[in-house]
Amino acid sequence: GQQVMQIPQYQHVQEGEDFTTYCNSSTTLSNIQWYKQRPGGHPVFLIQLVKSGEVKKQKRLTFQFGEAKKNSSLHITATQTTDVGTYFCAGTYTNAGKSTFGDGTTLTVKP
Amino acid sequence: DAGITQSPRHKVTETGTPVTLRCHQTENHRYMYWYRQDPGHGLRLIHYSYGVKDTDKGEVSDGYSVSRSKTEDFLLTLESATSSQTSVYFCAIRGTGEYEQYFGPGTRLTVT
Repeated sequence: GQQVMQIPQYQHVQEGEDFTTYCNSSTTLSNIQWYKQRPGGHPVFLIQLVKSGEVKKQKRLTFQFGEAKKNSSLHITATQTTDVGTYFCAGTYTNAGKSTFGDGTTLTVKP
Repeated sequence: DAGITQSPRHKVTETGTPVTLRCHQTENHRYMYWYRQDPGHGLRLIHYSYGVKDTDKGEVSDGYSVSRSKTEDFLLTLESATSSQTSVYFCAIRGTGEYEQYFGPGTRLTVT
């Protein structure tokens, strides 16, 4: 079946360090979305990438979609304690009415 | 948060009893989704709906049924709850863009 693999599962960083999480699909994606879930909360939509090679930025967050549309990454520059949570990617395949979520990367930030 | 509510927010039930969870939206979105979230498994799709009375299975649909008789309500039913169905259940709607989803606050279900 169509799967989206996300690594790493956990990442512990010191405040101020950078953080990156990666998503990979074995087949081409139509688009990919990124979500953040704070502890005890619900997933919150961050951004969607649609075009091959697309790069989007939101303040300290940089999102990339690979040229082949099979992988994506989220990079956080100079992490802060407010960045703590689990980051999920979700890939959509052509003509699908649904998205397939990765298992998420849980980020902890030590002050 | 896109006007999505879930009820109940918490429920404890016994094995073998039926349980129905409700998702309600106020913005007339066509697509609605039910997920379960368990440690180490991320979000797994149970069922989704693409219109009134139009539903389809997700990757973990066994033991669950859904109904959508009105645009605003999407019901998830566990016909006979089992301990393996202890989980946090999230409802989501698809936004007006491409495929972005907006989630409700979740229902924590415990089956004893």
